[in-house]
Formats: sequence, C-alpha cells, structure tokens
Amino acid sequence: EDKVVQSPLSLVVHEGDTVTLNCSYEVTNFRSLLWYKQEKKAPTFLFMLTSSGIEKKSGRLSSILDKKELFSILNITATQTGDSAVYLCAGSGSARQLTFGSGTQLTVLP
Amino acid sequence: ETGVTQTPRHLVMGMTNKKSLKCEQHLGHNAMYWYKQSAKKPLELMFVYSLEERVENNSVPSRFSPECPNSSHLFLHLHTLQPEDSALYLCASSFTQGSGETQYFGPGTRLLVL
Repeated sequence: EDKVVQSPLSLVVHEGDTVTLNCSYEVTNFRSLLWYKQEKKAPTFLFMLTSSGIEKKSGRLSSILDKKELFSILNITATQTGDSAVYLCAGSGSARQLTFGSGTQLTVLP
Repeated sequence: ETGVTQTPRHLVMGMTNKKSLKCEQHLGHNAMYWYKQSAKKPLELMFVYSLEERVENNSVPSRFSPECPNSSHLFLHLHTLQPEDSALYLCASSFTQGSGETQYFGPGTRLLVL
C-alpha cells in the first residue's frame, strides 16, 4: 500500500523565519511528487517534482526531490503571515492515483 | 469561466435524502477525480475517471455513486448518507502526461449530514 508521511505535523514560527517541511514516500511505480498549499479551501498547486536533485523555485518557496532516499523537502524563506496554511505532499504512482500525506500545519506569527 | 468549479459549495442533508454534487472543468483535461477530506485526515481518493475508464477506491461505500457523462463533467450522487460522511468533497482534474500529472482542485463542497 502506498504511503506518504509528512513531518512535522505542525509548526509555529515568527515572520522572517525560514522553515523546512519534510515528506517521505513509498509509492508503487512512482512518477512524481507534488506539493500543495491548503488554506480554508481547496488545495492549490505549488510544485511537481519528477527528477532527483533538481530544485524548483517560486519566489520564497523552493522544493527538491531525492529519489534515492525517497523524500522531498519544501523550504519557505522569510516567512509571512500569509504563508500560514496546511502544506500537503502527494505521491503520484500507478493508476493515476495520488496518495496524500496528512499535511503540515504551518502557523506564522507576526 | 476557467478552472475547476463545483456546486453546491455547501450542502446540508438528512440521512434519507438524495442529492448530487456537480463538478465541471474548463481546462481541457482528460481525467477527473473525487476526493473526500475529513477533519485531521489525509485526502482520500474516492473515484477516478480517465479516458472513460473508472477506477475506484474499494473502501468507498455504495451510498456514493459517481457519474461522468463526458470529460468536462463529473457528478457524485449521494443517497442514505451517514453523519460520518460529513466532510469536504473535492473534485480535481488533470491531463495525462508521461512524466506525471498535476491535479487541479475545485473549491469543494462542504457537506453536513444530519
């Protein structure tokens, strides 16, 4: 059975801090790993990672995949209160199924 | 209108009611999905429709019945639900690619079963 585990489950930081969110996966016929941000509504897409060791960046967010060790990290630098959300990691494998982790609840205090 | 839309956004129903959730995607995608999100649990895939083929999570009860009349529309028919079915129901769509797919989500339907 496919499994995705995220850590930490929750994190509280102050504005300006840098955070690292972790995601480990066991996905049959792995094809890609996706990161989503979910506020009080549906998840919004952040990154899709398919190649190991290549960092993807979007503003203050960046992510990298290690296919050998089966994990990914999401970094957020200079955090802002608007970054407060649940960050979801999902592994894409066979049969077009996404297996989601439980998410990391990030709270950024002013 | 662009993206993935869902109606209704909120629904309250009794256990004996029959209702349907609707999802529509305007992205030209060829696969659509239903997910259930309960409080403090990971997103749970319920059904996948891809190129007219249906894949389902065998743990989904038969009181949930999907329908996909074409690649742009997806329904979830609900009947004799239980209070534990109260959750956020999310629709998503994607386009098949060899290197993996990005699923784009609709805003969800918040369902409360009394």
